[in-house]
Amino acid sequence: DTGVSQNPRHKITKRGQNVTFRCDPISEHNRLYWYRQTLGQGPEFLTYFQNEAQLEKSRLLSDRFSAERPKGSFSTLEIQRTEQGDSAMYLCASSSGPGTSVPTYEQYFGPGTRLTVT
Amino acid sequence: GQNIDQPTEMTATEGAIVQINCTYQTSGFNGLFWYQQHAGEAPTFLSYNVLDGLEEKGRFSSFLSRSKGYSYLLLKELQMKDSASYLCAVTSTGNTDKLIFGTGTRLQVFP
Repeated sequence: DTGVSQNPRHKITKRGQNVTFRCDPISEHNRLYWYRQTLGQGPEFLTYFQNEAQLEKSRLLSDRFSAERPKGSFSTLEIQRTEQGDSAMYLCASSSGPGTSVPTYEQYFGPGTRLTVT
Repeated sequence: GQNIDQPTEMTATEGAIVQINCTYQTSGFNGLFWYQQHAGEAPTFLSYNVLDGLEEKGRFSSFLSRSKGYSYLLLKELQMKDSASYLCAVTSTGNTDKLIFGTGTRLQVFP
């Protein structure tokens, strides 16, 4: 396994359009996280899945944001009616928590999807 | 609430040693992480401390004092490729192990 992958790497969209990002975690990892990072800041937590269950959502995640992990493997993050303030790098991370063969809790990040809303 | 402070920028010379400090306040503490992030790239894991003391890993070491809410990352024998942002992050007690990051310290290494 080569690590966490994310698609697309870059997305430019017009204000008001919907966008969807995909994250494929490391295969044996049961925990998946979405973060958002803007220039000069550290990543901010958005949401967390353990297997297919979404167990926590940040207050940063408005109603326009929705995330899924339907089979406990890949995850999607959708932003509806995008706004210019949504422009950021969206990072996905995964880790192996309880229930896996080797729980480590270190989070491994994907390369991110850079969203630009014009 | 949770608050993490680290210097915004630091500079150092190739071959030198640099210490990047991080102080944190959290409602519950379950571990502290250091990540390295090169411009335009994803953060990569450097170290994890959950008990007090020093963890050494090659040229990088990380120290934690839970009573003081303090950590540092020590980089020895600096190389040009060490120019990057260094992110301090904590996890709090609970189920998610979500990372709460500081703003990061941008380190520039000069020849």
